[in-house]
Amino acid sequence: KAGVTQTPRYLIKTRGQQVTLSCSPISGHRSVSWYQQTPGQGLQFLFEYFSETQRNKGNFPGRFSGRQFSNSRSEMNVSTLELGDSALYLCASSSTGLPETQYFGPGTRLLVL
Amino acid sequence: AQSVSQHNHHVILSEAASLELGCNYSYGGTVNLFWYVQYPGQHLQLLLKYFSGDPLVKGIKGFEAEFIKSKFSFNLRKPSVQWSDTAEYFCAVNEADSSYKLIFGSGTRLLVRP
Repeated sequence: KAGVTQTPRYLIKTRGQQVTLSCSPISGHRSVSWYQQTPGQGLQFLFEYFSETQRNKGNFPGRFSGRQFSNSRSEMNVSTLELGDSALYLCASSSTGLPETQYFGPGTRLLVL
Repeated sequence: AQSVSQHNHHVILSEAASLELGCNYSYGGTVNLFWYVQYPGQHLQLLLKYFSGDPLVKGIKGFEAEFIKSKFSFNLRKPSVQWSDTAEYFCAVNEADSSYKLIFGSGTRLLVRP
């Protein structure tokens, strides 16, 4: 089975722009979670989707949003980018969500200038 | 708010030394517990997990962890480390039955000298 894929792998944006990141889960997995990883804050939960419904949201401003499509692929969007949004954004998938094992993708590294 | 503490941020060991990484969490309810590892240049991957039952859990690559409920701890152990264990290790907690998110600790960077 192919693993979790994330596109693009690297991205450079400037402050004020918006960005959309994509995640394709493992085939058959219906739960997708997003995490932000930074040297200062570590790994922080953004949100989780299951069957196109957001079930949990982390403590991030409204500029961070996401969605899930009927084929379980997910996108997250960050509007009005700030320098502090520079991070590695990780996507994880599982069949139905925690406490099942989550399988992580390679991440999208976003640099905001 | 729930939090996870990993006491050792950097650990340096020689090959064949024993390893114990500490993890404590601050949630009074039922939890699911995980240890993840991130090898250099690779994805985060699961080492082991605890949901219920035997509090001593065995994972991949010879790792094990013990859940001590009274101490809110889930320490990771390996009797004899190898150079290939050099990686960053993350403890994570999930509130059972009420949440679909993982709360991660800050991570421990392990360097094993050959």
